[in-house]
Amino acid sequence: DTGVSQNPRHKITKRGQNVTFRCDPISEHNRLYWYRQTLGQGPEFLTYFQNEAQLEKSRLLSDRFSAERPKGSFSTLEIQRTEQGDSAMYLCASSQGGGAWNQPQHFGDGTRLSIL
Amino acid sequence: AQSVSQHNHHVILSEAASLELGCNYSYGGTVNLFWYVQYPGQHLQLLLKYFSGDPLVKGIKGFEAEFIKSKFSFNLRKPSVQWSDTAEYFCAVNARSQGNLIFGKGTKLSVKP
Repeated sequence: DTGVSQNPRHKITKRGQNVTFRCDPISEHNRLYWYRQTLGQGPEFLTYFQNEAQLEKSRLLSDRFSAERPKGSFSTLEIQRTEQGDSAMYLCASSQGGGAWNQPQHFGDGTRLSIL
Repeated sequence: AQSVSQHNHHVILSEAASLELGCNYSYGGTVNLFWYVQYPGQHLQLLLKYFSGDPLVKGIKGFEAEFIKSKFSFNLRKPSVQWSDTAEYFCAVNARSQGNLIFGKGTKLSVKP
């Protein structure tokens, strides 16, 4: 069972640098989601795609954040000019399509970002 | 705005004890409800889900949850916990017309052997 794959598992960078994370969803899933999780909190929604279209973005997603899913398969999340507050676990999830958005989301292991 | 509240931050039980974890949500419309579990060092996994029909839903590993619409609640239960149930449990909700899940802060369950 090939689940959702995220790379890298851990990223350490200096404040002000740019970072990019990759997510490969389950192959037959056309929906892909990004969340952020900090210590003691549940995951917080950032954005989601249906195929290559980005359908919704959270207010948490500042101008420094950008996500793409160019061919409707893998997705990248880029953070420009990283800040201390960006330190978190970034989770990717995928699901099958469905009119009522009731298909369960399958999560990857996450990318832990640490800002020095 | 939607929100999810999990009442217990950390629950400690002995093996064979019964478990109930509370979850209340705030949203005026129709929702889908989920419980996810995160075992130490692993990714979030779906325990069970409710969309419609019988409000008592059964999930994996002997877990069940009951949707009480009038109370906006979706509590998770297990009659007899095992040491292997030690994990963090998250309740999540999404509106029927939206894909973004709203999660609670999670409840850490520690089961003593």
